[in-house]
Amino acid sequence: SAVISQKPSRDICQRGTSLTIQCQVDSQVTMMFWYRQQPGQSLTLIATANQGSEATYESGFVIDKFPISRPNLTFSTLTVSNMSPEDSSIYLCSVERPPFAGAVRYGYTFGSGTRLTVV
Amino acid sequence: ELKVEQNPLFLSMQEGKNYTIYCNYSTTSDRLYWYRQDPGKSLESLFVLLSNGAVKQEGRLMASLDTKARLSTLHITAAVHDLSATYFCAVDIFVGSNYKLTFGKGTLLTVNP
Repeated sequence: SAVISQKPSRDICQRGTSLTIQCQVDSQVTMMFWYRQQPGQSLTLIATANQGSEATYESGFVIDKFPISRPNLTFSTLTVSNMSPEDSSIYLCSVERPPFAGAVRYGYTFGSGTRLTVV
Repeated sequence: ELKVEQNPLFLSMQEGKNYTIYCNYSTTSDRLYWYRQDPGKSLESLFVLLSNGAVKQEGRLMASLDTKARLSTLHITAAVHDLSATYFCAVDIFVGSNYKLTFGKGTLLTVNP
C-alpha cells in the first residue's frame, strides 16, 4: 500500500490564524482525499483533490475555509483558515490504490493524521 | 444520501468470547472496507470486501458482505486484549465521476482480561 507522510502531526493554534497541513505520497496517485475527524467522532470527507483541477468539496465545507492545493501527483496541502475552537479535530489525508484480485486488504490508505487544537 | 450504520457503538467483552459488529448501509455498493483505529493513531486497513458473499479472515477477525441485504459483519473470535480499538466500516459508492467513501460512526471495542 502507499506510504503517506503527513505533517505536522499535531499543532496548537490561536483562533483567527491559519494552519497548512502537508501530505506527501511515495508514488503518483490520481486523487487525494482530505478528511476531518472531530473528537470521538467518525471521519467526514472534506474534499477530493485531483491534480490540475479545483478540489471538489463536500456539503458543509467551502474553499474559503479549507483551501486545498494539489501541485503534482504526489503532494497536496489543506489549509484550515481563520480557525476557531470548533476546528479542533484530527485531519487526515488519504489516497486510493486500485484493488487487485485476491488481496485481503487494500484500497484507501490514510496518513498518520494532524491533531489540531485551536485555543 | 448514503447512510452507514454500525452497531453496537460500544462493546465491552471478556477475553475468549466471540462477538459480531454489524454494518448496514442504505445504497447499493459493492465496495466495503473495515478499518481499525487505535487511540491517537490513524486508520489501519483490515479488510476490503468487493462482492456479494465475500468473506475475508485474518487472525481472530472475519468479515463478510451481503450486498443484497446491504449488510457487512465483522466477527471476533476468542477476543484478546490486543483487539481493543475502534473499528470502522466504510462504504464506497460512485458519485459523479469519483468514488466516495462514507464511514460508519465506529464501534469502540474494549476487551477485558
